[in-house]
Amino acid sequence: TQLLEQSPQFLSIQEGENLTVYCNSSSVFSSLQWYRQEPGEGPVLLVTVVTGGEVKKLKRLTFQFGDARKDSSLHITAAQPGDTGLYLCAINNDKLIFGTGTRLQVFP
Amino acid sequence: EAGVTQSPTHLIKTRGQQATLRCSPISGHTSVYWYQQALGLGLQFLLWYDEGEERNRGNFPPRFSGRQFPNYSSELNVNALELEDSALYLCASRTSVGLAGPPYTDTQYFGPGTRLTVL
Repeated sequence: TQLLEQSPQFLSIQEGENLTVYCNSSSVFSSLQWYRQEPGEGPVLLVTVVTGGEVKKLKRLTFQFGDARKDSSLHITAAQPGDTGLYLCAINNDKLIFGTGTRLQVFP
Repeated sequence: EAGVTQSPTHLIKTRGQQATLRCSPISGHTSVYWYQQALGLGLQFLLWYDEGEERNRGNFPPRFSGRQFPNYSSELNVNALELEDSALYLCASRTSVGLAGPPYTDTQYFGPGTRLTVL
């Protein structure tokens, strides 16, 4: 059983659409991170959320940590082809434990 | 500032052979992590080195080993290669853990990876 389940697994949308990616677990975490990985590269940290209910914005990306600190979501407004990539949530317990990933494809 | 570098970019081996992958961390970073990203299995933690010592290892057989050199660069060795070892191997670095504790909010910086193909 995966500690962090992400949904959907794949997402293919047109430029300009909005989307939400979910990261769920039955465990409580002290913090959670979101990464984006583009083809041929390693994951790059987007954000760290620490407090239950916390909302962080990074341009068109909005990250939310669930009140109970068991889940998180990533919302992208007006997606662009440059948003294409693999989105990974992770818990940082010294080592990183990654979620199952959501592969996003944004078509022009 | 140079990022994390890995070599080689691609490596092709046959079953039973040994593979050696290399990683140079960001200057000033003393911790190096290795992760395996295999199709269908996601991104999994392999090994963690800090200040030249192995601090933690993931759920991988002893065929996977490594070391960290005095300049903090690191090597991952995979012995007796099996077909299922084919994957992207990612290295990441961070500053020394020191007395840090949860919540862990610091950043691991990843290299571009080494694509290992076992035929």
